[in-house]
Amino acid sequence: KNQVEQSPQSLIILEGKNCTLQCNYTVSPFSNLRWYKQDTGRGPVSLTIMTFSENTKSNGRYTATLDADTKQSSLHITASQLSDSASYICVVRHQAAGNKLTFGGGTRVLVKP
Amino acid sequence: NAGVTQTPKFQVLKTGQSMTLQCAQDMNHNSMYWYRQDPGMGLRLIYYSASEGTTDKGEVPNGYNVSRLNKREFSLRLESAAPSQTSVYFCASTLSGALYEQYFGPGTRLTVT
Repeated sequence: KNQVEQSPQSLIILEGKNCTLQCNYTVSPFSNLRWYKQDTGRGPVSLTIMTFSENTKSNGRYTATLDADTKQSSLHITASQLSDSASYICVVRHQAAGNKLTFGGGTRVLVKP
Repeated sequence: NAGVTQTPKFQVLKTGQSMTLQCAQDMNHNSMYWYRQDPGMGLRLIYYSASEGTTDKGEVPNGYNVSRLNKREFSLRLESAAPSQTSVYFCASTLSGALYEQYFGPGTRLTVT
């Protein structure tokens, strides 16, 4: 079964610190992998999109990495800010299966002052 | 440019009642989607419309119907609401193509008692 698993489920970090979120997937073959940020009570907003040939992609203080061989991705947040408090969702797009998207359950990040 | 808009934001229904969730986008996107998001689970696709005039079932279509009214609007109807349909519903839209990101609306929080 095609799945996307994220860890940890939640984490608390102090403002200014870095953190790394993990995503493991079994979707194969896949077209691309996305990371979304979802603020409480809002819809998800795209942070990065990576194809299988890309190893890393940055968007400001967010850096995503992808290892297509081990089917793992990570999202690194540098110098966290209070506004980074949100859920971060890993999403994999299938190359076949009608190009459907499979969403991970998300990691809830809380940044404390 | 409002992006993707959804109405209503909140709704409480009694079991057996019907309602329609409205979604509109002003980005001239071809494809539109309806998802539901339940606690601890990834977003799951209910129905999608790859282009005006077409609709297809997603992962969890039972109990729902959709209408692609025109290129801008895509509605989701619950004919006879059940408590299992208590969820947050998101509409999304995108241009056609694997690398185009999906833009999400703000969501509708539905409670069925």
